Amino acid sequence: GAVVSQHPSWVICKSGTSVKIECRSLDFQATTMFWYRQFPKQSLMLMATSNEGSKATYEQGVEKDKFLINHASLTLSTLTVTSAHPEDSSFYICSASFHRPLQETQYFGPGTRLLVL
Amino acid sequence: EDKVVQSPLSLVVHEGDTVTLNCSYEVTNFRSLLWYKQEKKAPTFLFMLTSSGIEKKSGRLSSILDKKELFSILNITATQTGDSAIYLCAVVGQGAQKLVFGQGTRLTINP
Repeated sequence: GAVVSQHPSWVICKSGTSVKIECRSLDFQATTMFWYRQFPKQSLMLMATSNEGSKATYEQGVEKDKFLINHASLTLSTLTVTSAHPEDSSFYICSASFHRPLQETQYFGPGTRLLVL
Repeated sequence: EDKVVQSPLSLVVHEGDTVTLNCSYEVTNFRSLLWYKQEKKAPTFLFMLTSSGIEKKSGRLSSILDKKELFSILNITATQTGDSAIYLCAVVGQGAQKLVFGQGTRLTINP
């Protein structure tokens, strides 16, 4: 149980285009989903926390207009990188936690590698 | 601000050795500490610790939490090359949803 999928796993795009990444909890309902990015040889950096049916909470320094997050259902959250630039190239990982009080274990998706040319 | 510090940052050992990875933390109203293993893709969950002094064990891996001294250790015995990965420690505080991650320990097991 507790499987999280991400799609796509790899994306290469031209500078200026927008890219959408999907995160799905496959066998459980996730009230909360999290989006991280990770640069080579660095730890995970939380970008935003997304609760189903409400606006995402962004971490300091993360532009909410650039990284649009939608959490429309208990099993799906999307991250859209708008007008992507080469500096947005990174490994984007989502995670989800159970729809249960005090359940803080996060289960991670396999990640999406974004390369912006 | 909540903070997690892992040590060592990098460790190279031979297959069969035992390793101990350290994680110290400062967090407002601690609730739990989690260990993850990250290979080439996203982290996989290993342990969640909430109570002091109670060892959690899974095969050759074990972990324990000391809430008084604000640290946790992750032990791996009889290491194998498949244990090579980055091991991440994270904490979460009361009332918080997000995990605060340490920098990770890059463990390399040589045959």
